[in-house]
Amino acid sequence: QFVLTQSPSASASLGASVKLTCTLPSGHSSSYAIAWHQQQPQKGPRFLMKVNSDDSDIKGDGIPDRFSGSSSGAERYLTISSLQSEDEAVYYCQTWGIGIPYVVFGGGTKLTVL
Amino acid sequence: QAQLVESGGGVVQPGTSLRVSCTASGFTFRSYVMYWVRQAPGKGLEWVAIISYDGRNKYYADSVKGRFTISRDNSKNTLFLQMNSLRSEDTAVYYCARPTYCGGECYSTYLESWGQGTLVTV
Repeated sequence: QFVLTQSPSASASLGASVKLTCTLPSGHSSSYAIAWHQQQPQKGPRFLMKVNSDDSDIKGDGIPDRFSGSSSGAERYLTISSLQSEDEAVYYCQTWGIGIPYVVFGGGTKLTVL
Repeated sequence: QAQLVESGGGVVQPGTSLRVSCTASGFTFRSYVMYWVRQAPGKGLEWVAIISYDGRNKYYADSVKGRFTISRDNSKNTLFLQMNSLRSEDTAVYYCARPTYCGGECYSTYLESWGQGTLVTV
């Protein structure tokens, strides 16, 4: 198993944009896809999108266009534009084993909307 | 739309057992691999166990291997997690989760639907 790296915290102003990063470990294929999940305070996680290594993303049902995903090398990004107060949450990236069943989560980034 | 509802959490003493359940609706439960994921207070998400669509194959995180058992009853659209020899470090909210479909024995995919969780306090 391996580790996905996320910054513990981020902040941005209401109405601004923010870009969160999830980094795959060195030595692992940069072709790995990941998923982003949002966890608002006192709630269960919610799937936001899958981000592929080719810079494409597949959003979950009802996820606004303000949320987008992208990739560069071993990094996977979640960009949130036009920040709203309800975007204040912890964002987790997640990937999976290839040929071996397991799930890997990043440590989560707590986003504060100022 | 998929819906997952966990139940059965509670306060238990160390060394005892507890079984939590997850009732699924809105999708063909018997076709999907299913997961348990937990979250200790103030901590991140941790994968616990995976079960194949037919219940034949089960996989566990090292932290629970030998103590926890995942199972399912496809006739009742229900997923279970039997937790034995509970420890204080097992205190967490336990979530069931459904991945996007990629085959009944396909595990290389992302989690798409989550329950609201059930709290287990040891």
